[in-house]
Amino acid sequence: GEDVEQSLFLSVREGDSSVINCTYTDSSSTYLYWYKQEPGAGLQLLTYIFSNMDMKQDQRLTVLLNKKDKHLSLRIADTQTGDSAIYFCAENDRGSTLGRLYFGRGTQLTVWP
Amino acid sequence: SQTIHQWPATLVQPVGSPLSLECTVEGTSNPNLYWYRQAAGRGLQLLFYSVGIGQISSEVPQNLSASRPQDRQFILSSKKLLLSDSGFYLCAWSSQREAPDTQYFGPGTRLTVL
Repeated sequence: GEDVEQSLFLSVREGDSSVINCTYTDSSSTYLYWYKQEPGAGLQLLTYIFSNMDMKQDQRLTVLLNKKDKHLSLRIADTQTGDSAIYFCAENDRGSTLGRLYFGRGTQLTVWP
Repeated sequence: SQTIHQWPATLVQPVGSPLSLECTVEGTSNPNLYWYRQAAGRGLQLLFYSVGIGQISSEVPQNLSASRPQDRQFILSSKKLLLSDSGFYLCAWSSQREAPDTQYFGPGTRLTVL
């Protein structure tokens, strides 16, 4: 559960959809998370998905989970300039009672007007 | 509702000076508490975690230490800062009772060591 990979940069035009991808290694992870970090701020929980789900939708956000390929994606519909931020993928450590999470390095999303 | 505070928001310290960063959580009891450092490369490095008062576990050896004098207070300290201690320090909490073990982050402290 220590190798969570994300592409570092993504640029989209305002109004388009954004898709941020993530791969993880621990097949026993029970929860996978997406966090958003705006400049100079802490991490804000966006959404999470339980490992027995394939998809979760929450307003403009859609999370897709492919357990076979250990691939997680976050789709943001109708992307706005306010969505510009760093997005972190994280998986939990099922073997830990401490709520430990392993984070990717984050994807910098830039939205152009 | 639960809130998490960090103090101070920004700090500029000379090399060799001491450090004390504070994190407090409101609206919950007996949380798990975490200290992370985020360097310029963006990745989050877990420094310390705590499951209760006086119970601290360290993830990486370094010149930093952590203490938990009260249930909802977590302090990050150093006796002598190094240049490499510069970074963005984030505190987080999670519930020991509820699933998932989702971590909620504070606003962070930007530390610059000169």
